[in-house]
Amino acid sequence: GQNIDQPTEMTATEGAIVQINCTYQTSGFNGLFWYQQHAGEAPTFLSYNVLDGLEEKGRFSSFLSRSKGYSYLLLKELQMKDSASYLCAALYGGATNKLIFGTGTLLAVQP
Amino acid sequence: DGGITQSPKYLFRKEGQNVTLSCEQNLNHDAMYWYRQDPGQGLRLIYYSQIVNDFQKGDIAEGYSVSREKKESFPLTVTSAQKNPTAFYLCASSIGGITDTQYFGPGTRLTVL
Repeated sequence: GQNIDQPTEMTATEGAIVQINCTYQTSGFNGLFWYQQHAGEAPTFLSYNVLDGLEEKGRFSSFLSRSKGYSYLLLKELQMKDSASYLCAALYGGATNKLIFGTGTLLAVQP
Repeated sequence: DGGITQSPKYLFRKEGQNVTLSCEQNLNHDAMYWYRQDPGQGLRLIYYSQIVNDFQKGDIAEGYSVSREKKESFPLTVTSAQKNPTAFYLCASSIGGITDTQYFGPGTRLTVL
């Protein structure tokens, strides 16, 4: 199977830093997407990692380790509006390409 | 403004009725997708289309049908054969195929009574 694992819920404080982890099966893996989804709304694209290492985009950074089957999304200087679900999705190749989504991590930012 | 629109936002239907969900995009993307989102589960692919007049089943296509007569439009019909149709339905598009970043519409919440 191509299981994607991420924590169900996390809580953090406004102004702090939070790291949301995601693990995936490495066989056939091509790349890793992160999306943000506010309740009842569309997922919005945050990042796509193909190579190992950290990619920074303002307050959000995403890290990938292909050999370990591991990624994380790092959110700095948390704001109340960052309260949302964060979806990890792994792209697999082979005979047919396939994008597998995790169940999402619900982040609650508290004052 | 370019984007993906889905209508309506909320839809109620009686059990046994077919219902069609609309998805339109003006991003000039070739590929379009339909997903279903249920509490505690990841997004699951229902159908996808890489070009006009062609589409493929995803992981949970049973009880659903689609058409792709125009590049901009990819309507999804939820038929009476779908055992548990109440869910949040998301349409997405990408410039090329599944390897490209997908951009999502606002979703339609379907409730079957």
